[in-house]
Amino acid sequence: GAVVSQHPSWVICKSGTSVKIECRSLDFQATTMFWYRQFPKQSLMLMATSNEGSKATYEQGVEKDKFLINHASLTLSTLTVTSAHPEDSSFYICSARSEGRTGGEQFFGPGTRLTVL
Amino acid sequence: DQQVKQNSPSLSVQEGRISILNCDYTNSMFDYFLWYKKYPAEGPTFLISISSIKDKNEDGRFTVFLNKSAKHLSLHIVPSQPGDSAVYFCAATNFGNEKLTFGTGTRLTIIP
Repeated sequence: GAVVSQHPSWVICKSGTSVKIECRSLDFQATTMFWYRQFPKQSLMLMATSNEGSKATYEQGVEKDKFLINHASLTLSTLTVTSAHPEDSSFYICSARSEGRTGGEQFFGPGTRLTVL
Repeated sequence: DQQVKQNSPSLSVQEGRISILNCDYTNSMFDYFLWYKKYPAEGPTFLISISSIKDKNEDGRFTVFLNKSAKHLSLHIVPSQPGDSAVYFCAATNFGNEKLTFGTGTRLTIIP
């Protein structure tokens, strides 16, 4: 149980285009989903917290107009990188926490590697 | 400001021996700690956790030790197996809080 999927697993796009990444909890309902970004050889940096049916909460320094997050249902959150630039190239990982969990345990998706040319 | 630190970027251990991964934190509000294992191009997988009311938690080959006064925790893997080769992240939070703060990771290589 507790499987989280991401789609696509990798994407290459041209500078200036927008890219949408989906995160789905496959066998549980996720009241909260999280979006992380990881640069090579660095830690996972939390970008935003997404709650179903409400606006996402962004971490300091993360542009909410550039990284649009929508948590439309208890099993789906999407991250849209708008007007992508080469510096947005990174590994994006989502995680989900199921209803009723009060601990810090999160279940992570496999990640999406974004390369902006 | 890196609130969770893993000072060893890499560690090599002989198969069958004990692997010890270390993690230090600075935020005294953290009271729940987790270890994750990550393979390249995959998301992290939860391994084991510990709350601040304990100083040890064991699950099979994995044991996590917490020293609150030193703000230090460690993950022991014994015996180490080739499949344990991966990057290990420690993470910290307040119990009931949603956010995890991750360390920078330690790449563990098990030598056959």
